Amino acid sequence: DTGVSQNPRHKITKRGQNVTFRCDPISEHNRLYWYRQTLGQGPEFLTYFQNEAQLEKSRLLSDRFSAERPKGSFSTLEIQRTEQGDSAMYLCASSRWTGENTEAFFGQGTRLTVV
Amino acid sequence: AQSVTQLDSQVPVFEEAPVELRCNYSSSVSVYLFWYVQYPNQGLQLLLKYLSGSTLVKGINGFEAEFNKSQTSFHLRKPSVHISDTAEYFCAVDGGGAQKLVFGQGTRLTINP
Repeated sequence: DTGVSQNPRHKITKRGQNVTFRCDPISEHNRLYWYRQTLGQGPEFLTYFQNEAQLEKSRLLSDRFSAERPKGSFSTLEIQRTEQGDSAMYLCASSRWTGENTEAFFGQGTRLTVV
Repeated sequence: AQSVTQLDSQVPVFEEAPVELRCNYSSSVSVYLFWYVQYPNQGLQLLLKYLSGSTLVKGINGFEAEFNKSQTSFHLRKPSVHISDTAEYFCAVDGGGAQKLVFGQGTRLTINP
């Protein structure tokens, strides 16, 4: 168990460019979550998957954002036409859902800076 | 809808002193409650959780929290803090049971020698 892995750890991009982040969950965890955390705030839920199915998307997730989990393992979060307001820490978490609440394990996050 | 309010944005304490970080929540359904800690440039680590049962929950690093349904609170406590406890602490609620967490704004705990 190597924990939840996120890559890259840091990304600096110019406004208008597209960026993609990757999250590798703990193996055999069937649920995967994306959160966004801006400076001085708590994380905010963006979306989550159970296996490969995307079950819910927050209203925070504009049309420029898309997330996938094609084989039910790793997930990618893409932001198109980045804006300065997209600058934040993007956190991924995973859990093994069995019908009862269990712990979600978080990765170290990807810090995005849009210049 | 659920929400979480952390009443203190910053809490400075001296080393070996006790500390309480306050958290109030609102939810129209039964809740699961969590405290996470975040060290600089790191992800979140679970300190403790309340799912059901005893209202006093013990976690890692000597932290504990008490669930108070009538006051809708879940305050975090530690009897004696160390320099290494300096971090940001987040209270979170999962009111829907889907493990979709709603976080408070965080409390920055600073330990002074």
